[in-house]
Amino acid sequence: DAKTTQPPSMDCAEGRAANLPCNHSTISGNEYVYWYRQIHSQGPQYIIHGLKNNETNEMASLIITEDRKSSTLILPHATLRDTAVYYCIVRGFGNEKLTFGTGTRLTIIP
Amino acid sequence: DTAVSQTPKYLVTQMGNDKSIKCEQNLGHDTMYWYKQDSKKFLKIMFSYNNKELIINETVPNRFSPKSPDKAHLNLHINSLELGDSAVYFCASSQATVTAKETQYFGPGTRLLVL
Repeated sequence: DAKTTQPPSMDCAEGRAANLPCNHSTISGNEYVYWYRQIHSQGPQYIIHGLKNNETNEMASLIITEDRKSSTLILPHATLRDTAVYYCIVRGFGNEKLTFGTGTRLTIIP
Repeated sequence: DTAVSQTPKYLVTQMGNDKSIKCEQNLGHDTMYWYKQDSKKFLKIMFSYNNKELIINETVPNRFSPKSPDKAHLNLHINSLELGDSAVYFCASSQATVTAKETQYFGPGTRLLVL
């Protein structure tokens, strides 16, 4: 699976959009981009995933660049409960496991 | 209505003991996993079972033995516990992986402390 690179930490003001970048320049054609988050040592929580089109659900939006080498997770109106470590993971066909990196520690500032 | 549940939530034990952690999912999934998160917060897969068959074993010491009595349960038995086994263990489940679209859902974790 392709490796990912994320900034180690970010801050965002409460109520603003949080934009979390991820670089996955070695991604291959059948690999999906997944985002999970972990709130204070709870179990990782699935957020969203995509292949090449932008995706949106009730939690977030995922913007994938046209060359698929990077993506951005957008939390449109961040709340204090969004403070967590966010993991960007690339996962390919036939690969059952999720390979977690170090993620981005997002802190929402009141 | 917990989707993936684990017991116990906390486990404190002495070195050398044998202990088990249980996991159950009520999502009707075919595949279950065990992950380990160490003190540095690195989260790594240990095992994966699909329909009660082992499909991933990530070079975990053979003191760790997963057991899947049915596809809704995946238990983790650890023999001769060592200090380095102290960690948080997460169970997860998903539908069988076909296209890499299948999402994994995680349990709340079991915090193991070996003294």
